[in-house]
Amino acid sequence: GNSVTQMEGPVTLSEEAFLTINCTYTATGYPSLFWYVQYPGEGLQLLLKATKADDKGSNKGFEATYRKETTSFHLEKGSVQVSDSAVYFCALSDHRSGNTGKLIFGQGTTLQVKP
Amino acid sequence: SQTIHQWPATLVQPVGSPLSLECTVEGTSNPNLYWYRQAAGRGLQLLFYSVGIGQISSEVPQNLSASRPQDRQFILSSKKLLLSDSGFYLCAWSFPGGGNSPLHFGNGTRLTVT
Repeated sequence: GNSVTQMEGPVTLSEEAFLTINCTYTATGYPSLFWYVQYPGEGLQLLLKATKADDKGSNKGFEATYRKETTSFHLEKGSVQVSDSAVYFCALSDHRSGNTGKLIFGQGTTLQVKP
Repeated sequence: SQTIHQWPATLVQPVGSPLSLECTVEGTSNPNLYWYRQAAGRGLQLLFYSVGIGQISSEVPQNLSASRPQDRQFILSSKKLLLSDSGFYLCAWSFPGGGNSPLHFGNGTRLTVT
């Protein structure tokens, strides 16, 4: 079935370091791909999305490119800040489910940025 | 613009007690609605989803149930809570039709069953 695999955390970086959080997926058809961010004690916020192969989603300095050939959607940021510390979730839309709009989430990757 | 409200923010309940968590959406009609659970240190598990009033689909067998009495209201319930029901419960909505539409989440309810 469809699934999402993220790199295990926690990821600990110093401020201004380069960030990569790996995400790979298994899916039939052509799912849409999403990155969500969860700050401590809060719900999930949509960070960016891509709906077709080679699309690049970007927001707040974060980027991810939909790579169909490698079934990947890695999240990157050139220079992280302490305020980026959070849990990041990769997700895909389950098109098998018709119009339900269900998303399948990865396990989440905790990012800790130190000053 | 659309907003989602979820309450309460935190809840401590004894084993065997009932549960009712409520979620409402404003600013849109006929949204898809979802209940997810996030166990400590783990990812998100879809519990229920609904594409319309009275239409509930369950993803996993469990001690919980869901209802959608109104178009923009989604309720998560239990008759008797178990210790394993502890977790962070998230309500979400999306535009009808699914596909490329992202989910928009509430702020969650932290449930501790003692």
